[in-house]
Order: sequence, then C-alpha cells, then structure tokens
Amino acid sequence: LAKTTQPISMDSYEGQEVNITCSHNNIATNDYITWYQQFPSQGPRFIIQGYKTKVTNEVASLFIPADRKSSTLSLPRVSLSDTAVYYCLLDTGGFKTIFGAGTRLFVKA
Amino acid sequence: DTGVSQDPRHKITKRGQNVTFRCDPISEHNRLYWYRQTLGQGPEFLTYFQNEAQLEKSRLLSDRFSAERPKGSFSTLEIQRTEQGDSAMYLCASSLDRENYGYTFGSGTRLTVV
Repeated sequence: LAKTTQPISMDSYEGQEVNITCSHNNIATNDYITWYQQFPSQGPRFIIQGYKTKVTNEVASLFIPADRKSSTLSLPRVSLSDTAVYYCLLDTGGFKTIFGAGTRLFVKA
Repeated sequence: DTGVSQDPRHKITKRGQNVTFRCDPISEHNRLYWYRQTLGQGPEFLTYFQNEAQLEKSRLLSDRFSAERPKGSFSTLEIQRTEQGDSAMYLCASSLDRENYGYTFGSGTRLTVV
C-alpha cells in the first residue's frame, strides 16, 4: 500500500500557482519525500525531493513542515503543458518505492 | 547517453505467446527496476537489480515472469504464456547506487494481449 495520500484530481488555469498537498502521517526517519510527474504514454519523471523545510529547483518548490507529516508541491505559473499526473511518495533510497494513484492536474486555458 | 531506453514501445501478442522486453539503463546506473502500470493506476514494483544480482521480486511477479540483467548492463523481462491480465505498460527505471536521487524511467513498453 502507498504510504501517502494526495487528492485524486485538481484543476487550474494557465498562469496560476498550483499547490498539491500530500499526507504521509507514518513517515519514517529515513524517508525522503519525492515527487514525480507523468504524462500519458511516458514513464514518470523525477521533479523534486526533500527531507525537511523547503527545497526549490528550476521546476518546482517543495515545502515540508517540521513534523514532516505532510508536504506541498508548488508549481509556479502553470501552463497547459503541466497537465499531468503528479505522484508523491516516500523514498528511503531503497529499491521498492511505492507509487500511489497520484493527483491528476488539469490546466485550462 | 540519452536516458533509459526500452524496446519495443508497443507489443501486441496473442494470449499464450511469450514476449520479451528490453531495457537499457543509463550507463553509470547500477540499480535497475521494473514496474508495471495499468490504466489509471500508479506504477507497481515488480523487481529490482543491483548490478547483475536480482535482489527483490514482488509477489506480482508470478512464475510466468522472469527478469535478467546479465553483466549488470541491460535487462530483459520475459512473460511466458501471456494472459489478457498481463496487458499493461511495463516501465524500466535506473538509479545510482546512492540514496535519494530519484529514479530515471524509460518511456515503457505497452503490452496488449489479445
């Protein structure tokens, strides 16, 4: 079973900031929070990973509160091409990363 | 190196036939994973290699499934006596042997069993 819970779907408009929250109440000390993006007929693509506080890269930001029981992926100024499924998962650097069903983000013009 | 390559991209086969898929990981990645994904679901873990050693197999990987990674480079996934329930996208991913850098996935092989 996936160790994370995230909304099934979200809608947004071009140019808006999108925040997708993920719950992981049973996160372990060694778990890193990792987000992937997947387009139809493609494999998932690594977006961002963090352990605590805030991580930012050229694509997104990841906010993690002190208790680490949740995290929020922030996508600034989304475009139509950001329409995809976004997966939140916990990664211990091991070999059995478990994906949930993800959040389907639909960006409208 | 352009990433993880999978071949073929699509495969249609008749029930009962055997199929084999190939994955070429990123050359410096010594970890290789196979996942299966059905429509509307996230990828499900099938098996994991570290170099040439297969270290973990999911219970989803029935006796009809076998995976190899000779010489720790490319990997093959074979499905014998295919069933309609095997229809899915088969994804390969690779990663470095260090913690927490995420996986690089290939584009997958879509299998349709008719």
